[in-house]
Amino acid sequence: DAMVIQNPRYQVTQFGKPVTLSCSQTLNHNVMYWYQQKSSQAPKLLFHYYDKDFNNEADTPDNFQSRRPNTSFCFLDIRSPGLGDAAMYLCATSKAQGMNTEAFFGQGTRLTVV
Amino acid sequence: QKEVEQNSGPLSVPEGAIASLNCTYSDRGSQSFFWYRQYSGKSPELIMFIYSNGDKEDGRFTAQLNKASQYVSLLIRDSQPSDSATYLCAVRKAAGNKLTFGGGTRVLVKP
Repeated sequence: DAMVIQNPRYQVTQFGKPVTLSCSQTLNHNVMYWYQQKSSQAPKLLFHYYDKDFNNEADTPDNFQSRRPNTSFCFLDIRSPGLGDAAMYLCATSKAQGMNTEAFFGQGTRLTVV
Repeated sequence: QKEVEQNSGPLSVPEGAIASLNCTYSDRGSQSFFWYRQYSGKSPELIMFIYSNGDKEDGRFTAQLNKASQYVSLLIRDSQPSDSATYLCAVRKAAGNKLTFGGGTRVLVKP
């Protein structure tokens, strides 16, 4: 059974049109991450939550926002998508800080901007 | 200097051989180290993690950690064509929950 679920799997949006990607988890993990991954590049951390505590990466553009209304759900909002925002967006979860707290990934959402 | 560095490859190995992948990290405060495998167009899946110096074996995979040298490696024994993928090294610091990835090493196992 899928434990980290991302919707949709594929999203096509128009240049400048706001878009929201969603992630849900059944693991009851405290930490949720959003990564952006472009072709042949490393997953780049955009931000992460520890419970409701939001941690933004310094180089994450203001165009990217996130919401975590409860433990199970987390959303990535792209306010005005540009062509450079086309990428795979990966959601991951983990338990809170600990040595063997690996991150579990969803299937990802591939975003296309037209 | 990148926080986590890997040779991008491709690393080409014949079927049945050992593939050796390396990863270095810059922050001495790093505590936990993870190896993920990622097939093209798919999300990363965990292979194994290590947090103590030395070797850790799991099936055909062995992770090696040397904190003094800030170096972690992954050995894949008896490589199979299905092992052809990109292998991502990820590092977690002792403080906080941030998980940082290297750029990945692409491995090609040739029959």
